[in-house]
Amino acid sequence: DVKVTQSSRYLVKRTGEKVFLECVQDMDHENMFWYRQDPGLGLRLIYFSYDVKMKEKGDIPEGYSVSREKKERFSLILESASTNQTSMYLCASDSPGLAAGDTQYFGPGTRLTVL
Amino acid sequence: GDSVTQMEGPVTLSEEAFLTINCTYTATGYPSLFWYVQYPGEGLQLLLKATKADDKGSNKGFEATYRKETTSFHLEKGSVQVSDSAVYFCALSELNTGNQFYFGTGTSLTVIP
Repeated sequence: DVKVTQSSRYLVKRTGEKVFLECVQDMDHENMFWYRQDPGLGLRLIYFSYDVKMKEKGDIPEGYSVSREKKERFSLILESASTNQTSMYLCASDSPGLAAGDTQYFGPGTRLTVL
Repeated sequence: GDSVTQMEGPVTLSEEAFLTINCTYTATGYPSLFWYVQYPGEGLQLLLKATKADDKGSNKGFEATYRKETTSFHLEKGSVQVSDSAVYFCALSELNTGNQFYFGTGTSLTVIP
């Protein structure tokens, strides 16, 4: 059974802290993604990576960075957390677009609260 | 650019009622269309998909038909259950954009006994 895991389900941090969100997938997928989910806004892509050490900005990269040192692991970093980064963060993975209908696989999400 | 528009929620239905959640899309090529479901406290799971016009995706009693002429992929279920309470996301991907996914804003469904 395919699996995407995220390091924490719930996280509470203070403004200005550096925050690491970790994601691991066991499907040998090349592509990995970080989204944030907010009510009324759906899922918005923050960053994605199509290979080790490669990264691409998504729609809302400001205030975030990422790291992909190993194929199975993709980290999202908030260099200095702010209250407007309080959100649900979802990690996903898939293989390159080899066929129509290939799906993304999602982790359970991390609900981050920044006080 | 590509985009997905789905009906605003929240939607509240009684058990055994008929469900429709509308979804329309804009795409430059020939997208694949998806419905994902997010149960409380969990990530998104694929519910069903369709990869070409007139295809019907189905799973767990849910259905959606890929309508190219109306650029729609509406989700339907004939008789909802309390366990169907969740948030539903319509999405598309296209091979010519590297299979990048575009999601709708989500529709929250609550089914009451």
